[in-house]
Amino acid sequence: QSALTQPASVSGSPGQSITISCTGTSSDVGAYNLVSWYQQHPGKAPKLIIYEVSKRPSGVSSRFSGSKSGNTASLTISGLQAADEADFYCCSYAGSNTPVIFGGGTKLTVL
Amino acid sequence: QVQLVQSGAEVKKPGSSVRVSCKTSGGTFSSYSFSWVRQAPGQGLEWMGGIIPIFGAANYAQTFQGRVTINADDSTSTVYMELSSLRSADTAVYYCGRDRSGSDPYYYYDMDVWGQGTTVTVSS
Repeated sequence: QSALTQPASVSGSPGQSITISCTGTSSDVGAYNLVSWYQQHPGKAPKLIIYEVSKRPSGVSSRFSGSKSGNTASLTISGLQAADEADFYCCSYAGSNTPVIFGGGTKLTVL
Repeated sequence: QVQLVQSGAEVKKPGSSVRVSCKTSGGTFSSYSFSWVRQAPGQGLEWMGGIIPIFGAANYAQTFQGRVTINADDSTSTVYMELSSLRSADTAVYYCGRDRSGSDPYYYYDMDVWGQGTTVTVSS
């Protein structure tokens, strides 16, 4: 199974909004409402910020939101802050054979 | 506060095996699913496999089938990942992660507690 497709990089200025796309197939993203997003700062473990396409774990800022249309999921970060600068990975359930597939990651730069 | 504490860094020769441990402290163990995710230098995240201790059976990514073994020890709340036939491309940071819900059905994709990572270097 191939990795989900994400843009390599996105950028935005403080206060702006950005959206990161994550394209899969009808066997993973399109088949299940089981998409998650992770934020990873350099040298740190990933942090879960979205699960079940659009739900936020307790303690995650409401500036992070998720959605899905067809085979493409999206992460939107509003009110960009310098601390948001990190790598972001989408992840999808893909069935019982290989349950988890990650995207290639997107580097967010806050200008 | 639940924590996953992983074993220390390893340096291995090509062709050998490595075993990395992940111990749960401060929380329930057997009813959660645990995954192993690796990250090669400068690269993205790659799911290797997972286990649900209460059921015992592990689930492996096709890429690693036959080379990885994941098991769990309820008595010590520890999950293990062993990777064999190591090659230089296996040089990476290996993370364990625990799923968010701890209840059936288990999907592995929503890991909300992570270990600190274990660096495995494969070099002759």
